[in-house]
Amino acid sequence: GDSVTQMEGPVTLSEEAFLTINCTYTATGYPSLFWYVQYPGEGLQLLLKATKADDKGSNKGFEATYRKETTSFHLEKGSVQVSDSAVYFCALSPLNQGGKLIFGQGTELSVKP
Amino acid sequence: DTGVSQNPRHKITKRGQNVTFRCDPISEHNRLYWYRQTLGQGPEFLTYFQNEAQLEKSRLLSDRFSAERPKGSFSTLEIQRTEQGDSAMYLCASSSSAGQETQYFGPGTRLLVL
Repeated sequence: GDSVTQMEGPVTLSEEAFLTINCTYTATGYPSLFWYVQYPGEGLQLLLKATKADDKGSNKGFEATYRKETTSFHLEKGSVQVSDSAVYFCALSPLNQGGKLIFGQGTELSVKP
Repeated sequence: DTGVSQNPRHKITKRGQNVTFRCDPISEHNRLYWYRQTLGQGPEFLTYFQNEAQLEKSRLLSDRFSAERPKGSFSTLEIQRTEQGDSAMYLCASSSSAGQETQYFGPGTRLLVL
């Protein structure tokens, strides 16, 4: 079945460091891909998405490119801030299945000043 | 605030009791989803509705679980004869049905079964 695999955390970085969180997926056809973020004490919120191959999603300085050939959707940010500390979830939505989301296990990011 | 709301936010119950959770979606959204999240894991899909019709149920949703959305607005998720393994965060999300629209999540209901 469809699935998402993320790099394990926690990831600890210093402020202004470069961030990469790896995400790979297994799916039939061309799913849509998402990154959701959960800040401490808050609910899940969409960070960015891409709906077709080679699309790049971006928001708040974060980027991810839909790579069909490597079935990947890695999250990157050039310079992280303390306020980026959160849990990040990669997810896919299979084509024509009502929009349901299949999530990875999450990667906790901690940014130190 | 017109986001997704869930009640109660926390529920502690004894094994064998029944519990019911409520979700109020964003008013113009016709799709409503339920997920379950255990500690250290990502949310797992349970079921979804389009308007009042329940269109898919995960095999995770045993026969002790039932969900309804009687008028296509709010939804309830009931767990009968709770077990300790049901302890989790139960998340509700809503979206419109146009293409791959963004799902907006509620704050969740945290269930602890003693």
